[in-house]
Amino acid sequence: GAGVSQSPSNKVTEKGKDVELRCDPISGHTALYWYRQSLGQGLEFLIYFQGNSAPDKSGLPSDRFSAERTGGSVSTLTIQRTQQEDSAVYLCASSIDRDSSYEQYFGPGTRLTVT
Amino acid sequence: AQSVAQPEDQVNVAEGNPLTVKCTYSVSGNPYLFWYVQYPNRGLQFLLKYITGDNLVKGSYGFEAEFNKSQTSFHLKKPSALVSDSALYFCAVRGWNNRLAFGKGNQVVVIP
Repeated sequence: GAGVSQSPSNKVTEKGKDVELRCDPISGHTALYWYRQSLGQGLEFLIYFQGNSAPDKSGLPSDRFSAERTGGSVSTLTIQRTQQEDSAVYLCASSIDRDSSYEQYFGPGTRLTVT
Repeated sequence: AQSVAQPEDQVNVAEGNPLTVKCTYSVSGNPYLFWYVQYPNRGLQFLLKYITGDNLVKGSYGFEAEFNKSQTSFHLKKPSALVSDSALYFCAVRGWNNRLAFGKGNQVVVIP
């Protein structure tokens, strides 16, 4: 079946511009996660959506970052007034998440370059 | 908060030799442990997980991992490495807050 998809695959933007990154989770997965992967830094948790509960936003690095999940499915991560340090690969993952034992399934990522 | 340490940046191994990728963790309560692999320009792929039960878990592509509670470790192993196993490997731990904490990753290079 279809996996997690993300768009665009690559995004180059100028410093100060806003960008939107999209994630389509696996159908039926109630949990959705955003991570940031920087070179040599591993994966940094950004935000977690679970069903209709309030999202866990504790990983967002600044108020320039926000995310929405509409209808319990598609999610958009928005970065306002981009900075060069925002350059990274942004990964989305989804999971059944009935409890903590379920693994997450990752999309291919969006490579963001801020010039 | 939970955390993971992967002490080696890169692991080099000759093809056909055993492969071990080390991972230690810290978490409150019972740990849920995961290994993921990332091939170049790809997302992470799930390899295996430990939730409860037998300390030795088997996963995809011939990989296995051993949970050791006393040493708080969850090392990934493969008896005979293939060149195609060359990739970036991530260990992760999940605690009571559902947050999944990843290590920095280990680059595995299998030399033909």
